[in-house]
Amino acid sequence: GEDVEQSLFLSVREGDSSVINCTYTDSSSTYLYWYKQEPGAGLQLLTYIFSNMDMKQDQRLTVLLNKKDKHLSLRIADTQTGDSAIYFCAVRGGSYIPTFGRGTSLIVHP
Amino acid sequence: DSGVTQTPKHLITATGQRVTLRCSPRSGDLSVYWYQQSLDQGLQFLIQYYNGEERAKGNILERFSAQQFPDLHSELNLSSLELGDSALYFCASSVEAGEQETQYFGPGTRLLVL
Repeated sequence: GEDVEQSLFLSVREGDSSVINCTYTDSSSTYLYWYKQEPGAGLQLLTYIFSNMDMKQDQRLTVLLNKKDKHLSLRIADTQTGDSAIYFCAVRGGSYIPTFGRGTSLIVHP
Repeated sequence: DSGVTQTPKHLITATGQRVTLRCSPRSGDLSVYWYQQSLDQGLQFLIQYYNGEERAKGNILERFSAQQFPDLHSELNLSSLELGDSALYFCASSVEAGEQETQYFGPGTRLLVL
């Protein structure tokens, strides 16, 4: 089955850009998502990209997809303390069910 | 606020007991998904219902069952509880169940089995 990998932690300074990376194994993956989970809360959909796109920008968020390397990244510009959370990459192929990574804890310090 | 509600928010119970978790999907959403999130296993898909019918099954134990009612709310029943069942249980919903559907998550139910 699909395997989705993310690094567990990322620490950045407030105002810098954050880049969270994700790799997946199934080349037939068609929908790729980024979710944010704040402490004590559920997962909030941040953005998603279709496999026929290379990039998607939404305000401070930029998603890059490299299909050849099966690599997805989320860039957060001008990172704020309010961006501190766990970020999940999720990938979906032919089935309706996405496979989630283990999540990357983003720590933003002043 | 995603529009998906889950009750209760927290649940503490003992081993061997049975509990029911409830989920109300977003208005208009026909599909409901259940997930378990634990420290060691990450986010695991359990089961999906679409308009009252079971659509997909994931890593759901035989001690667990679910259903979706005519008003589209769903319940997840966990029985013969073990310490290892302590986790966050999330419900998500989507309009349909096709490829283009995006899931919206509820705030979760935190279950602690003592």
